[in-house]
Amino acid sequence: EIVLTQAPATLSLSPGERATLSCRASQSVSSYLGWYQQRPGRAPRLLIYDASKRATGIPARFSGSGSGTDFTLTISSLEPEDFAVYYCHQRSDWPRTFGQGTKVEVK
Amino acid sequence: EVQLLESGGGLVQPGGSLTLSCTASGFTFSNYGMNWVRQAPGKGLDWVSAITGGGETTYYADSVKGRFTISRDNSNNTLFLHMNSLRAEDTAVYYCAKVLTTGYYYDYWGQGTLVTVSS
Repeated sequence: EIVLTQAPATLSLSPGERATLSCRASQSVSSYLGWYQQRPGRAPRLLIYDASKRATGIPARFSGSGSGTDFTLTISSLEPEDFAVYYCHQRSDWPRTFGQGTKVEVK
Repeated sequence: EVQLLESGGGLVQPGGSLTLSCTASGFTFSNYGMNWVRQAPGKGLDWVSAITGGGETTYYADSVKGRFTISRDNSNNTLFLHMNSLRAEDTAVYYCAKVLTTGYYYDYWGQGTLVTVSS
């Protein structure tokens, strides 16, 4: 099973600041990595797929990069609605797996 | 508009059974793979199972293999998860999720249904 490790567990930032979230895979997943946002009490929302492609309707302040085992989600300037939990997810192999999540909280 | 609506959750005793349903609308259901993903209270996302559009191929997490069965009824646009031998650690909100056209990511999710396994 491919293990995805996210860092940091919690990121404390202010609105307008830049957020950089990391996801590391235990083996190569090529570019088959996605990112999801989950707000409290809500279902997850797909932000990024295939490492760097924005899903439909996702603002340009969200960007993804990386390949192989190291990936990054960047939020260029945090909006109030961006404070949430973010998960990475690999579709390279079965079973599908998620990272443990990074919480972006208001500083 | 794509909509996914789960139902069937509830309280069940350890060792018991439950069947979840997910009714889909707003897209051609039989063209898309579907998945179940769960989330234990206060925890992260945990992939459970997947099924191809035609229902011919299924996949399971090791933690549920042999206990859970995914199936679908394309004539009624409904996805199922049959859960047997339930354990306390199966307690979670269960989401159904539609697969993205261009890759096996999840572009639409239901609102979730809570399964509580407790005596």
